[in-house]
Amino acid sequence: QKEVEQNSGPLSVPEGAIASLNCTYSDRVSQSFFWYRQYSGKSPELIMSIYSNGDKEDGRFTAQLNKASQYVSLLIRDSQPSDSATYLCAVQGDSSYKLIFGSGTRLLVRP
Amino acid sequence: GAGVSQSPSNKVTEKGKDVELRCDPISGHTALYWYRQSLGQGLEFLIYFQGNSAPDKSGLPSDRFSAERTGGSVSTLTIQRTQQEDSAVYLCASSLVPVQGQETQYFGPGTRLLVL
Repeated sequence: QKEVEQNSGPLSVPEGAIASLNCTYSDRVSQSFFWYRQYSGKSPELIMSIYSNGDKEDGRFTAQLNKASQYVSLLIRDSQPSDSATYLCAVQGDSSYKLIFGSGTRLLVRP
Repeated sequence: GAGVSQSPSNKVTEKGKDVELRCDPISGHTALYWYRQSLGQGLEFLIYFQGNSAPDKSGLPSDRFSAERTGGSVSTLTIQRTQQEDSAVYLCASSLVPVQGQETQYFGPGTRLLVL
């Protein structure tokens, strides 16, 4: 079992819709959770970080964390074609500073 | 301020040759990380440096891989006797301090390594 799992996609949504990206992780002691966006041929850039159970909103992005169920999700409201990218979920444990990444979900937003 | 920089941006080498990849972190960032990303895959942790502490080398895939960080700043990742499976994008990241809430890792543009 992979430590961080994501559906590879592609997830295709129409412009203006809500895109929902999900991630599960196996290490129960994980403390910090991140969503990175990666455009093709580019390096990852941080979208959201979340540390506590519940929702965290930043503009059109909402991260949701449920530690009991060991999942973290990212919602993108009013999706735009410019949101088309691969979204990487990353998890950090409490005793290590390295990030464990999922393999990413490719999002396509259709105009 | 400048972000994380890496050089070279692309490197093509022959199997069996050694390569050196360089990373210059964001000024003032104490933590530095190396990852690699194979085609269509997520990022794989390689090594972590924090200040003057011993590095976490737990992600290095073999003893052909080594890294050093001089003066707490620039880092060099060396791959000896390169193999075709070493072909990947090697990404460097740095963060301010390894404290929750300030540990955001900022990535450089990467070095694309192709071993023929």
